Amino acid sequence: ILNVEQSPQSLHVQEGDSTNFTCSFPSSNFYALHWYRWETAKSPEALFVMTLNGDEKKKGRISATLNTKEGYSYLYIKGSQPEDSATYLCAPSGGKLIFGQGTELSVKP
Amino acid sequence: EAQVTQNPRYLITVTGKKLTVTCSQNMNHEYMSWYRQDPGLGLRQIYYSMNVEVTDKGDVPEGYKVSRKEKRNFPLILESPSPNQTSLYFCASSLSQNYGYTFGSGTRLTVV
Repeated sequence: ILNVEQSPQSLHVQEGDSTNFTCSFPSSNFYALHWYRWETAKSPEALFVMTLNGDEKKKGRISATLNTKEGYSYLYIKGSQPEDSATYLCAPSGGKLIFGQGTELSVKP
Repeated sequence: EAQVTQNPRYLITVTGKKLTVTCSQNMNHEYMSWYRQDPGLGLRQIYYSMNVEVTDKGDVPEGYKVSRKEKRNFPLILESPSPNQTSLYFCASSLSQNYGYTFGSGTRLTVV
């Protein structure tokens, strides 16, 4: 079983703050790293899939980086908005797709 | 509309009564997977399939069966449900490991 660690577990920020989360995973047997956004009462929604060391991806105010050699990925949100409130999940894949516990983000207006 | 369809959305059943949760995708995806979500435990993979007639166990396969006879369908079978299988279940599909998964709307199962 892949050991996937996400930190922090939860984060409370004010509207306009920028924030970032960490995903740590075993660097051996790595194939790809997925990030998902999961709003309450909805289904997880894919944000990014990254495969190469040094990969950076961006979608609006959200971006992510990948370091496969040391086994971590960062997710950044610039200028958080209340609609960014959700749980953010990372998942390394190597055949299976194993999810971390997630970081729960709450953005107050 | 491209989607993953799970049925039923809600189900209450009794211990030991066989049930099937259906999952169908219309995107010609190779990969399909079943997850269960429990408070404090996150999303845990039950079974996954990389193609027709190819299935493999995830982290919590005990008490579940799957089949992949056609590309679009990946049903989850509980031969003899027990109360510890009460959970929220998600089916998901993807073109390959390099693409994000599309999730179904979820099936909330209660076994009494």
